[in-house]
Amino acid sequence: KNEVEQSPQNLTAQEGEFITINCSYSVGISALHWLQQHPGGGIVSLFMLSSGKKKHGRLIATINIQEKHSSLHITASHPRDSAVYICAASIIQGAQKLVFGQGTRLTINP
Amino acid sequence: DTAVSQTPKYLVTQMGNDKSIKCEQNLGHDTMYWYKQDSKKFLKIMFSYNNKELIINETVPNRFSPKSPDKAHLNLHINSLELGDSAVYFCASSQGLGGSSYGYTFGSGTRLTVV
Repeated sequence: KNEVEQSPQNLTAQEGEFITINCSYSVGISALHWLQQHPGGGIVSLFMLSSGKKKHGRLIATINIQEKHSSLHITASHPRDSAVYICAASIIQGAQKLVFGQGTRLTINP
Repeated sequence: DTAVSQTPKYLVTQMGNDKSIKCEQNLGHDTMYWYKQDSKKFLKIMFSYNNKELIINETVPNRFSPKSPDKAHLNLHINSLELGDSAVYFCASSQGLGGSSYGYTFGSGTRLTVV
């Protein structure tokens, strides 16, 4: 079992819908990252969280350290939000490293 | 432009060849990484360097040898390429080992195809 699990693996929604992607991790972490990978392949760092909640535009990321769970929300979704969203945990095993979830492929239809 | 730049973007080569992928960042970060993304889009760390010092070396065949001539560059040399090495390789950088409050900056990836 992967140390970082995401759900769902695939998500299709209509434009305007509220989107939630979940991430659970089973190890101690120093931070939790949300990344976005567009169809062209490039990866962009969206958020880095160690507690609470962060907001950037229509994107909101939350983390519950006790429950080892994080969520990424997208409000008023748009077709340009279609991408793979990847959760990654910064863990310390000797040295800090990122352990990735398997990604959630999000498709927003117009 | 401030960025992490990788070259080449695409690399097609025959089994048994030796190839290198180069990575440079002009962000002033002190830590650089190589990640491999397999055919199922799963990312996994291969190496990390902090100020030219190897910090992480995951279970990677010793045919893969990273080299960091300075903290702005981290190159990846692969000897005796095998079919299973086909993947997308991403370089990334961060300030600090944990990614800092600004997270990580990724290069655009190098798609390696071994035939």
